[in-house]
Order: sequence, then structure tokens, then C-alpha cells
Amino acid sequence: DTAVSQTPKYLVTQMGNDKSIKCEQNLGHDTMYWYKQDSKKFLKIMFSYNNKELIINETVPNRFSPKSPDKAHLNLHINSLELGDSAVYFCASSQDLSRGSSYNEQFFGPGTRLTVL
Amino acid sequence: AQKITQTQPGMFVQEKEAVTLDCTYDTSDQSYGLFWYKQPSSGEMIFLIYQGSYDEQNATEGRYSLNFQKARKSANLVISASQLGDSAMYFCAMRDQTYNQGGKLIFGQGTELSVKP
Repeated sequence: DTAVSQTPKYLVTQMGNDKSIKCEQNLGHDTMYWYKQDSKKFLKIMFSYNNKELIINETVPNRFSPKSPDKAHLNLHINSLELGDSAVYFCASSQDLSRGSSYNEQFFGPGTRLTVL
Repeated sequence: AQKITQTQPGMFVQEKEAVTLDCTYDTSDQSYGLFWYKQPSSGEMIFLIYQGSYDEQNATEGRYSLNFQKARKSANLVISASQLGDSAMYFCAMRDQTYNQGGKLIFGQGTELSVKP
């Protein structure tokens, strides 16, 4: 029944490692997102994909590479992890944003807490 | 550039009383959407309520209502009859309507609400 799922829920790793976070939605949505929530709880968009196509890359370092094998999945791969990457990463999805339509609630996954030691 | 401001880092309310959480926004767009999300200590993001910029009526969802004052660019959340389970972080967000922005949400800093028994 889970609408947007993420794995793993917790990720603890050493600096310099490469890790991936997986996201899947079963809502039939066309658009998926990655947000980062920092230690002060501030949420900021990282990426947006529409029908597997990258729409937004919000000045995220190229160590972060999203991959969308199909419109139900949006994975996040992070190379050479740094201490500052420690955060909670949220995946979200919504229906395709059509011109003039301001609704389309974004459904969030449970979040992945990444700790880089 | 679009911006959301929540000026109350923390608030206290007595159980069963009403509370207003402030949110102001800045945008040059005519069409936009405003959202409120709740984040309890467990970390998930829970959608509460939505207001479209062209909606003439203030949005209501159960004990939640949105006091939308377009001229003042404010979208305050009112929670009536507070319950202990309302203790959480609350985020105001605006949806970027520009199609090539992928419908990203721009979040405010959040307000931590504590309900006292």
C-alpha cells in the first residue's frame, strides 16, 4: 500500500565511499523529486524528473547523480561522500504539472537519513 | 525569485486551543499553489492543506484552515482545537508553476509547534 517508498531508511558510511538510495512510487505519477533536509530542518529541492527526463538540477554537485530507469523509479547515487552530505533525503512524486494547474500534491517518501563519518 | 518566510521558529499552544502559524510568500507569478506539510518527530512529511492562488475561498481540511490573504501575500495555517498529536514541525511551501521548473516546492524554514496538556 506504500505510495512512495525509499530504501534504505538509514545509511551510515565513511567519507569517500559511494552509496545509492532507491525510490519507487506506485501512484502512477509522472514527476519525481529528490529533496535534501539539512541539520536545521531546511528542505531544498535537488532534482526533478518528468517521465524519466531530468527537468531540474538545482546546483547540486556532480557527485550526485540521479537515475530514472522508468517513471516509477528515481534513484540517487552519491560518489565520494563528504561530511556535509549528512542529511535526510526525501523522494517525492506528483502528477505531471500541466500549464495553468497549480495543484498536484506532492507525496513524500519516508526519508533516508544519511550519516557520513 | 520565489521565497517563503516563516518567522516563528517555535510556538507553544495549550491543548484544545486554536493556534495560527504564519507564512508569507514572495512571487511575481499570477498562478501558484501554497501547501502546508506536517513533519512529526518520526520524520515523515504529511500533507495537510492546499490553497490555489485563484481560489476565492479559504481552504479547509478538518481542523486545519488556511487564512489566505493574497494582497498581503500571506497563507497562515490555523489549527483549531489543538491536540497533543499536533506537536510537530510545520512547513509552508509554494509550488513553482513554471513548467521547466518541474513543479518543485519551495519551503519555508518551518515552525516547531508544541502542544501543552
